[in-house]
Amino acid sequence: QKEVEQNSGPLSVPEGAIASLNCTYSDRVSQSFFWYRQYSGKSPELIMSIYSNGDKEDGRFTAQLNKASQYVSLLIRDSQPSDSATYLCAVRTGGFKTIFGAGTRLFVKA
Amino acid sequence: GAVVSQHPSRVICKSGTSVKIECRSLDFQATTMFWYRQFPKQSLMLMATSNEGSKATYEQGVEKDKFLINHASLTLSTLTVTSAHPEDSSFYICSATTGTGNTGELFFGEGSRLTVL
Repeated sequence: QKEVEQNSGPLSVPEGAIASLNCTYSDRVSQSFFWYRQYSGKSPELIMSIYSNGDKEDGRFTAQLNKASQYVSLLIRDSQPSDSATYLCAVRTGGFKTIFGAGTRLFVKA
Repeated sequence: GAVVSQHPSRVICKSGTSVKIECRSLDFQATTMFWYRQFPKQSLMLMATSNEGSKATYEQGVEKDKFLINHASLTLSTLTVTSAHPEDSSFYICSATTGTGNTGELFFGEGSRLTVL
């Protein structure tokens, strides 16, 4: 079992719709969870961090964490073509290492 | 967010040569930096954890004699790919955290694309 799993996609949504990205992780003692966005040929940029169960909202982005289910998600409201990128779920494990999922490719159609 | 600068952004070298990549934290001190490698259409794979003033900790399967890491100061870590071969061609990305324990967010450099001919 991979430590951090994501659906590779591609996930295609129309402009203005909600994009829902999901991630599961295997290390139960993980405490820190992150979503990064990566454009082709570029390095990742941090979108959201979440540490507690529940929802965390920042602008059009909402991260959701459920530690009991070992599940974290990212919702993007009012999706824009510029949101088209690969979204990486990252988990900081108990060993102070940050492990990345394979990423989900998102396409927002104008 | 914190700024991490990486140089060079692109490098092309001949097989058998060595290449050094620098990673600098510009507006904070980074006790720990991380080096990742990313092959096309794949995710980031952690290569090693670089600790200021001590030896780096390498992930399983990463050759420490091939990928030399030096973290001489709180703002600079270097990765040297020794005797590079075409299979070492990849996107190398460094990152640093401003936090400690399990809360620190990672900030990434711009990445260095290495092509070995």
